[in-house]
Parts: sequence; structure tokens; C-alpha cells
Amino acid sequence: QKEVEQNSGPLSVPEGAIASLNCTYSDRGSQSFFWYRQYSGKSPELIMFIYSNGDKEDGRFTAQLNKASQYVSLLIRDSQPSDSATYLCAVNPNNFNKFYFGSGTKLNVKP
Amino acid sequence: ETGVTQTPRHLVMGMTNKKSLKCEQHLGHNAMYWYKQSAKKPLELMFVYSLEERVENNSVPSRFSPECPNSSHLFLHLHTLQPEDSALYLCASSQDDLAGEGNEQFFGPGTRLTVL
Repeated sequence: QKEVEQNSGPLSVPEGAIASLNCTYSDRGSQSFFWYRQYSGKSPELIMFIYSNGDKEDGRFTAQLNKASQYVSLLIRDSQPSDSATYLCAVNPNNFNKFYFGSGTKLNVKP
Repeated sequence: ETGVTQTPRHLVMGMTNKKSLKCEQHLGHNAMYWYKQSAKKPLELMFVYSLEERVENNSVPSRFSPECPNSSHLFLHLHTLQPEDSALYLCASSQDDLAGEGNEQFFGPGTRLTVL
């Protein structure tokens, strides 16, 4: 079983819609959760992090964490074509310098 | 310079060459990482340095040799590489002594390596 699982997609949504990206993890003791956006040929860019159960909002982005069910999700409201990218979920278990990455979900926002 | 920088951004080398990739972080972090990202594959962690000590070596072939002279600089020395080593090599840094809030990992722009 992989430490972090994501649906590879592609997930296609129309412009202006809500995009919902999901991620599950295996280590129940995980403490920190991150979402990165990666454009083709570029490096991952940190867009959200969450540490506590519940929702965390930052502009059009909302991260949701449910530790009991071991999943973390990212909602993108009012999706724009510029949001088209691969979104990587990363988890930091109870080990400071260990980060597990999912394989990423490719998002296509159609104009 | 801010964040994490990497040089060179692009590198083409033959299988008999020796080259080095350089990474520098300006974030005051104490942990640095090398990742490999091949086309259509997930990130592969190669090496982790914490407080200049190597703490992780994920079964990486010896033709890749890391060096961390201080907490701000990280090198990846390359020799006798194979064409399948062609990939995007990413450096990252984080603050290692913070579990939970504050230990976000930041990436450099990467070095696109092509081995002929």
C-alpha cells in the first residue's frame, strides 16, 4: 500500500466550477498535510498546508482534513484555466524530515 | 536571491562526463533534500540532509553522490550516468525541528538533466 494515494485523473471541470481533489494516506500518526501545484516542466509550488481537522480557506482554495478517515482534500472555487496543472498531495508523518508525496492529480479547467 | 535556487537549470551530459548540481536555500532551514522526477512518474526522494548530516539514502546508485557542506548548500555530484537518469532533479528545504506547523517543504526550480 502506498503511503499517499491520489487519483491520477485527468479531472476536467468547466471554467467557474468547483474542482475537488482528494488524497488518502496510510500513516494514522501523520501530522502535516500539504498541497502543491506543479505546472508542466516546472517545480512543485506549495499552495496550501493544513495541520488540524476541519477546513482551512485561502482565497479560492480550501483544504479539508479528516484524520479519522485519513483523507485530505483540496477545493478550488471559481476554477480558472490557469489552475490547470498537476496537484500533488504530501504528508509528513510523525517524523520531521520525512515527506511522502502522492503521484498527483492532473486538473484541466476548460474555458 | 530568495527561496531555493538551483544551478544549472538545464544540463546535457554524456555518459562519461562528471558534473555537479548545486542548490542553495535562503530560508534559514536546516534540512535539505534531493528528489528525482522522471516523465509521468511521481517524485522520488533520493537524499535527505538534516543539520548537514545525511539521514536518508533511498537506494540511490553510487553514480549519484551528494554533498552538504553547510545548512544552506547542497550538491549532487554526477558521474558515469545512464540515459535513464535523464529527469528533472529537484532540491527542497524545510525546518527539521518542527513537527506540525512550520515544517513546510519548499522546492527550487529544478535542473533538467539530459544524459546522452
